[in-house]
Amino acid sequence: EAGVTQFPSHSVIEKGQTVTLRCDPISGHDNLYWYRRVMGKEIKFLLHFVKESKQDESGMPNNRFLAERTGGTYSTLKVQPAELEDSGVYFCASSQQRTTAQYFGPGTRLTVL
Amino acid sequence: DAKTTQPNSMESNEEEPVHLPCNHSTISGTDYIHWYRQLPSQGPEYVIHGLTSNVNNRMASLAIAEDRKSSTLILHRATLRDAAVYYCILRDKGGSNYKLTFGKGTLLTVNP
Repeated sequence: EAGVTQFPSHSVIEKGQTVTLRCDPISGHDNLYWYRRVMGKEIKFLLHFVKESKQDESGMPNNRFLAERTGGTYSTLKVQPAELEDSGVYFCASSQQRTTAQYFGPGTRLTVL
Repeated sequence: DAKTTQPNSMESNEEEPVHLPCNHSTISGTDYIHWYRQLPSQGPEYVIHGLTSNVNNRMASLAIAEDRKSSTLILHRATLRDAAVYYCILRDKGGSNYKLTFGKGTLLTVNP
């Protein structure tokens, strides 16, 4: 069974540009999460989807970040416009139920210059 | 969220057992104890979880103190591939704490 996949693995953009990160969860997992680790900090929760619905966006840093999960399958996280402090590694995870183990993807390393 | 306390780092030798401690003195009766680890350049990986009783799986064992204020993740024979940051995380059994709250974790170094 395929695990959680993320694309791209790396992205280097300039300040002010737009970047879209994609996450494909494990098939059948209704719950999808986004996390990120910025330089030197701990991994922080961004948001949680159940199917196509956003359950919790409390971790989203500001309105430059937009997450979608059309059709309840893959998810995208768009940053527009990107700022220097958005640099970090963005992880996606999925789980069958909210209380079960979360399975993480390898992450997307975003560098904003 | 109830907090956990872990040592910043630990060191072990290959093929020896490793005991990674975690203190969670403010744990509530409905909190599960979860362990995740993050290998270099990878996403976090689920290891094991438990509520009250000790648990075993193919990766590790989890020993939970009788008062549940502490727990220990046990790797029975450390390998070089076990070198990672290990996170002890509390999650509400009722499902209200569905997000994972990562602390600094314990950086485990395994010497050949």
